[in-house]
Amino acid sequence: QQKVQQSPESLSVPEGGMASFNCTSSDRNFQYFWWYRQHSGEGPKALMSIFSDGDKKEGRFTAHLNKASLHVSLHIRDSQPSDSALYFCAASEEGYKLTFGTGTSLLVDP
Amino acid sequence: EAAVTQSPRNKVTVTGGNVTLSCRQTNSHNYMYWYRQDTGHGLRLIHYSYGAGNLQIGDVPDGYKATRTTQEDFFLLLELASPSQTSLYFCASSPRLGGDNYAEQFFGPGTRLTVL
Repeated sequence: QQKVQQSPESLSVPEGGMASFNCTSSDRNFQYFWWYRQHSGEGPKALMSIFSDGDKKEGRFTAHLNKASLHVSLHIRDSQPSDSALYFCAASEEGYKLTFGTGTSLLVDP
Repeated sequence: EAAVTQSPRNKVTVTGGNVTLSCRQTNSHNYMYWYRQDTGHGLRLIHYSYGAGNLQIGDVPDGYKATRTTQEDFFLLLELASPSQTSLYFCASSPRLGGDNYAEQFFGPGTRLTVL
């Protein structure tokens, strides 16, 4: 059973629109959450982390964590074609070993 | 930014073949990881290491061995390759815990392995 579930599997938004990703964990031991982004032909790259309940904003990106429901989300406002990529949620129990979700493919239409 | 390199970038072998994937990081990170990426499964951890000579089993270790020879070098070994091991393999490294760098991993460019 996948410990970190992501939805949707794929997403298409117009340029300038809002993209939203969801992630739910089935393991209450997970304390640290990350969002990673992977462009085609490249390795994943860390986008942002969130460790405390509530919102965390970095530029056009906002992450939200609710530890009680084991739910974390990512929102990208003013989406750009360069945001087209695979987005992974990742969770960690002890702070270094990560469990990744299955990913969401984002396409931003120019 | 952390630099992680992998070789080869592409590899084709036959069933039963012997394959070694190499990874080097040049940022003196303590932790190194091997993942495989498959559609529908995301990234799955095969093996990881705390430092030279250390090896820890990941979530999908069957059919894989790994060895960390130095702080910089981490190898993944497939001694009897099978078609089910056809995948995209990534190496990653991360620094010692502390500050705001909890669990941030820096990935290499990947090795695409095909087992015929």
